[in-house]
Amino acid sequence: QVQLQESGPGLVKPSQTLSLTCTVSGGSISSGDYYWSWIRQPPGKGLEWIGYIYYSGSTYYNPSLKSRVTISVDTSKNQFSLKLSSVTAADTAVYYCARVIVGATYWFDPWGQGTLVTVSS
Amino acid sequence: SYVLTQPPSVSVAPGQTARITCGGNNIGSKSVHWYQQKPGQAPVLVVYDDSDRPSGIPERFSGSNSGNTATLTISRVEAGDEADYYCQVWDSSSDPPLFGGGTKLTVL
Repeated sequence: QVQLQESGPGLVKPSQTLSLTCTVSGGSISSGDYYWSWIRQPPGKGLEWIGYIYYSGSTYYNPSLKSRVTISVDTSKNQFSLKLSSVTAADTAVYYCARVIVGATYWFDPWGQGTLVTVSS
Repeated sequence: SYVLTQPPSVSVAPGQTARITCGGNNIGSKSVHWYQQKPGQAPVLVVYDDSDRPSGIPERFSGSNSGNTATLTISRVEAGDEADYYCQVWDSSSDPPLFGGGTKLTVL
């Protein structure tokens, strides 16, 4: 059973870069059957998709965040990572990583437990 | 751009049936997925491809999709079903996925 676990600093200063890692266990990130994605949720608000990566390294980002987002993959460690630059208070959120099921359409299953990142000086 | 519209809240008594809608222009032509998010927890997939259930999800959870409305139906509602529910569509890997704004289900 695949499990995902986010890790990284819980506090980031404004204008700096937010960096998170998602570790996948119980399955290989190199499986060609899935994408790997980041999603965030500001406190008390809904879900916002950030982007996804394929094991080969190909990516697709939310157009509204594209200029600030980089997602990378390390297949040797079975991990993928998120970098979000020039953060502001509006980037304060719980950040989730999730596996993307690739079929005729696409959905997220499972999700990591999430990690709260606060942007504050 | 395409928008998914959910009612902010739905209330239902225990044992009754809850119906949570997700509206979108001709959403019946898309596949809709549903997630349950309990307070302080990550979302969990409860229905995919309009009406299929992942293993481990009770049969009380079902979905339908036609016209401009997709519906998540929860039969014989229990106190433990109290949560936020989100619909989601994603038809192409070259388009971004969309989430509805979420519906808070309150069990009276």
